[in-house]
Amino acid sequence: DAGVIQSPRHEVTEMGQEVTLRCKPISGHDYLFWYRQTMMRGLELLIYFNNNVPIDDSGMPEDRFSAKMPNASFSTLKIQPSEPRDSAVYFCASISLAGGPGNEQFFGPGTRLTVL
Amino acid sequence: AQSVTQPDIHITVSEGASLELRCNYSYGATPYLFWYVQSPGQGLQLLLKYFSGDTLVQGIKGFEAEFKRSQSSFNLRKPSVHWSDAAEYFCAVTSGGSYIPTFGRGTSLIVHP
Repeated sequence: DAGVIQSPRHEVTEMGQEVTLRCKPISGHDYLFWYRQTMMRGLELLIYFNNNVPIDDSGMPEDRFSAKMPNASFSTLKIQPSEPRDSAVYFCASISLAGGPGNEQFFGPGTRLTVL
Repeated sequence: AQSVTQPDIHITVSEGASLELRCNYSYGATPYLFWYVQSPGQGLQLLLKYFSGDTLVQGIKGFEAEFKRSQSSFNLRKPSVHWSDAAEYFCAVTSGGSYIPTFGRGTSLIVHP
């Protein structure tokens, strides 16, 4: 397996523009997570899905953020409109928890977002 | 709610010196404990994990960690640090009640030549 795949790796956009980040989890994993990492706030969990269903989106900072998982192999995180304070590295991670909580999360390489 | 504390934001060591990164957790049930490493520009990668058995666990890259229930700690150690170990290290906890990992704030390791 190629691991968790994220695209794009880098995104530079202007304030007010729509940004869409993409993630392909590892095949067979039943949970998918979106994280945001900044120097100020560290690693923050934004939302996670179980079997394509959003379970907890309490970490999504504002209504400008939305996430979808239309099928088991694809998820998007959208920011509309984007603001400079959204600049961060966004990670997608997946995990198989069918056997219990002892499995590791697999992280993608991240998308570095810069909003000018 | 479960929580994870990594009290050291930055640690600086000289190459070849020993290393210990601290992690304390707060949870009543038996925890599942993990250490992840994040190299610059990369995602997080699992170093090691513990959930039962021998309280001293070995991981990749020469790292080990010891689970001490009485101290609610799971400290990461390495006897001799290499320059390539410079990275961000995250401790994480899950439990039987919640399969969702809780991550610590992270400790940034700086290695001097």
